[in-house]
Amino acid sequence: AQKITQTQPGMFVQEKEAVTLDCTYDTSDPSYGLFWYKQPSSGEMIFLIYQGSYDQQNATEGRYSLNFQKARKSANLVISASQLGDSAMYFCAMREGDDYKLSFGAGTTVTVRA
Amino acid sequence: NAGVTQTPKFRILKIGQSMTLQCAQDMNHNYMYWYRQDPGMGLKLIYYSVGAGITDKGEVPNGYNVSRSTTEDFPLRLELAAPSQTFVYFCARRAVTGAEQYFGPGTRLTVT
Repeated sequence: AQKITQTQPGMFVQEKEAVTLDCTYDTSDPSYGLFWYKQPSSGEMIFLIYQGSYDQQNATEGRYSLNFQKARKSANLVISASQLGDSAMYFCAMREGDDYKLSFGAGTTVTVRA
Repeated sequence: NAGVTQTPKFRILKIGQSMTLQCAQDMNHNYMYWYRQDPGMGLKLIYYSVGAGITDKGEVPNGYNVSRSTTEDFPLRLELAAPSQTFVYFCARRAVTGAEQYFGPGTRLTVT
């Protein structure tokens, strides 16, 4: 079974607007973590934000926030005030267990329009 | 700077050839990982290591081998390369104080 599901293959957003990228996950481990990574066209993987399963508050990092809804098993990424440099592929990932292996979703491509 | 270096950046192999993808980190962290990525797709874990002398299989280990003789280096070996191993390969290390992983720049491998 797919552990991480990203249902939006591609999205367009206007510059300065907010965009929400969907991510749902499947795990029976009570201790897990959720991550978002950005992959620009240059190919590198850039860590954006992390949410632990026991964290009480939703994670935020600058313009990035993670909308964590544990009961619904969702961990959506919100990018506020989109910039042209936000155009990239975005991956949701999950770690389970103590060895911190990551399972990745298929990704969502975001294109920011001027 | 993720503190992870990978060589080479690009490589073309013929079917049946072997090669080693090099990965080194400068953060002295025990946890290191190898992933592969289909173009436009997510990453899949090949092998990982939680310390020198300790390695374990990930989701897609067939056709690959790893070794971890030092904390710094985590090479990935391809034996008898096949076209199905045409991917971008990423090496990663875990953060020193957090759960996230930091990735090297990747090696783009084509097997023809």
